Amino acid sequence: DAKTTQPTSMDCAEGRAANLPCNHSTISGNEYVYWYRQIHSQGPQYIIHGLKNNETNEMASLIITEDRKSSTLILPHATLRDTAVYYCIVRESSGGSNYKLTFGKGTLLTVNP
Amino acid sequence: DTAVSQTPKYLVTQMGNDKSIKCEQNLGHDTMYWYKQDSKKFLKIMFSYNNKELIINETVPNRFSPKSPDKAHLNLHINSLELGDSAVYFCASSQEFGGYTDTQYFGPGTRLTVL
Repeated sequence: DAKTTQPTSMDCAEGRAANLPCNHSTISGNEYVYWYRQIHSQGPQYIIHGLKNNETNEMASLIITEDRKSSTLILPHATLRDTAVYYCIVRESSGGSNYKLTFGKGTLLTVNP
Repeated sequence: DTAVSQTPKYLVTQMGNDKSIKCEQNLGHDTMYWYKQDSKKFLKIMFSYNNKELIINETVPNRFSPKSPDKAHLNLHINSLELGDSAVYFCASSQEFGGYTDTQYFGPGTRLTVL
């Protein structure tokens, strides 16, 4: 099972910031938080990842709380093309030093005109 | 150029047939993966190969056999197809396996329909 909890769906107005929350209360000290998204009928797309510091790239910003038990993905100016399912993922061990990404249900973000 | 490509995009076949899905990545990555996304949209890892060696095998039936002829290719062969195999299959690749920054790049998917 995924180690994260996300709202099932969210709406956002075009041009506004979209803030997607994620809870990962059982995260370990060396585990990264990853965000991917899946636009309808396409393969998942990497967005951003972080450990404990806030991160920003050309797509989004990632804010991680000090206790690392939750994070927020921010799309600063959402467009209609950002409508997608957004997955917050904490990598899980698959045995030994091997890790895997376990995708949960994600959050369906709908950007409205 | 497409980073991770899969063929075919759509595959419709009868129960009991054997079929293959091909995946190629031109990113120079060492690790490749197969995922299955069922009708409920859950995306689950099936296999992972690192430098042509099987690393992850997630309790997938023996009818599924991945083959990696080289680092750039990971094909998925499925024997005796069943109705429950109908799903979208995604191939992915990453620079290294298990590294802290093993960002995965996904292909466009192959929609398999078993009749």
